Amino acid sequence: GQNIDQPTEMTATEGAIVQINCTYQTSGFNGLFWYQQHAGEAPTFLSYNVLDGLEEKGRFSSFLSRSKGYSYLLLKELQMKDSASYLCAAYDSNYQLIWGAGTKLIIKP
Amino acid sequence: DAMVIQNPRYQVTQFGKPVTLSCSQTLNHNVMYWYQQKSSQAPKLLFHYYDKDFNNEADTPDNFQSRRPNTSFCFLDIRSPGLGDAAMYLCATSSKYGSGTDTQYFGPGTRLTVL
Repeated sequence: GQNIDQPTEMTATEGAIVQINCTYQTSGFNGLFWYQQHAGEAPTFLSYNVLDGLEEKGRFSSFLSRSKGYSYLLLKELQMKDSASYLCAAYDSNYQLIWGAGTKLIIKP
Repeated sequence: DAMVIQNPRYQVTQFGKPVTLSCSQTLNHNVMYWYQQKSSQAPKLLFHYYDKDFNNEADTPDNFQSRRPNTSFCFLDIRSPGLGDAAMYLCATSSKYGSGTDTQYFGPGTRLTVL
């Protein structure tokens, strides 16, 4: 079966750095997305990786290792507004998007 | 400059009473998706349209139907809502299907309550 695993919940302190991990098992692979979802709202696109390595976008970076079936989202200089769920999703060989259940990130002052 | 719009944001219906959720987009995207998301769970794809071609997921119950009268609009019809259908319903669009670089853009969602 196809599966995305990510931690259910993480807690971090305002101003700090946090890394949210995601492992995937899919039938083929055509890229991985990270989305941010605030409570009661729709997911919003953060990043896309298809090649190995790190993609940096301001305070957020996303890393991919295809050989390990592994990705992480790195959030720097955490702000209270970063409190949200972070969803990892991967395209399989048929371009079906397989979603994780999300990691709820709690930021404390 | 809203791109994917869903109406209503909150919908309350009674057990067994048909309900329709709507989605519209100003992106002129070819593909529109409907997802069901329950609390703390991954979004579950119900179906998608590529232009007028309808693609139903194998495990989507027959109780759920969809219509896409034109490029901009897509509707989700729940013929006889059960208590288990209470969820957030998300509409998303993408410019094409079958491309790894294609990003899905989501509307704000409709939260459905079944009494």
